[in-house]
Amino acid sequence: EVQLVESGGGLVQPGGSLRLSCEASGFTFSSYWMSWVRQAPGKGLEWLANMKHDGSEIYYMSSVKGRFTISRDNAKSSLYLQMNGLRAEDTAVYYCGRLEYRSAWCQDSWGQGTLVTVSS
Amino acid sequence: DIQVTQSPSSLSASVGDRVTITCRASQIIGSSFNWYQQRPGKAPKLLIYTVSALQGGVPSRFSGSGSGTDFTLTISSLQPEDFATYYCLQTYSAPWTFGQGTKVEI
Repeated sequence: EVQLVESGGGLVQPGGSLRLSCEASGFTFSSYWMSWVRQAPGKGLEWLANMKHDGSEIYYMSSVKGRFTISRDNAKSSLYLQMNGLRAEDTAVYYCGRLEYRSAWCQDSWGQGTLVTVSS
Repeated sequence: DIQVTQSPSSLSASVGDRVTITCRASQIIGSSFNWYQQRPGKAPKLLIYTVSALQGGVPSRFSGSGSGTDFTLTISSLQPEDFATYYCLQTYSAPWTFGQGTKVEI
C-alpha cells in the first residue's frame, strides 16, 4: 500500500523558514516523480512544485520560485520542501504527492498533509 | 500559464440525482486532465485520470468526458458518500493548475 506521511509543519513568524518532509513507503520511491500541493484554509488546491525521480528536472509555481526549494533523498525515500521568506499567505495545509504517467500525468497518491501557519 | 475555470462553485442535490461538473481550460490540453474528490478534513482522492479513465476502486457511477478545452465529471446517481468538493487538474504544462472546486451539498 502506498503511504505518504508529511511532517514538519507548525507555527512560524513572517519571514521565517520551515522544512517539510514527506516519508514514502509501499512503492519504489526512486522511480517516481513527486510533488507538493497546498491548500489555504477554506480555499482550493494549489500546485507548488514537481521533481523528477532523479532530481534532474524541477518545476515550480511562479509565486514560490526562489523562496521554496523541493528536494529528495532516494536512499531515505523522502521528499522535502524548504520554505524561506514565509508570508501570511503561505498559511496552508501542505500535501506531498506521487506522480504517475498514464498517457498523461496524474497525481495518484496523496499524504494526509501538514499544516503551516505563518503568523506573528 | 493555462487557466482552468470550473463551474458551478457549488450545487445542491439529492441522493439519486445525476450531477454534472464542468471545467474549461484556456487552451487545448489533450488528455492531460484529472478529477479529484475531497471530503472535509481529508486529502484529495483521484477519481478520473486522462479525461475518462476510472481510477481503481472508484465506483462506476463516476465518469469523465471531454476533449480539447472542455471537460465534464458526471455522477450518475449521487450517493450519501459523494457529498464532497470536487476539483479538476490540468497536467499538460507547468504550472499545473486546479479548478476552483465544486462543493456538492445536500
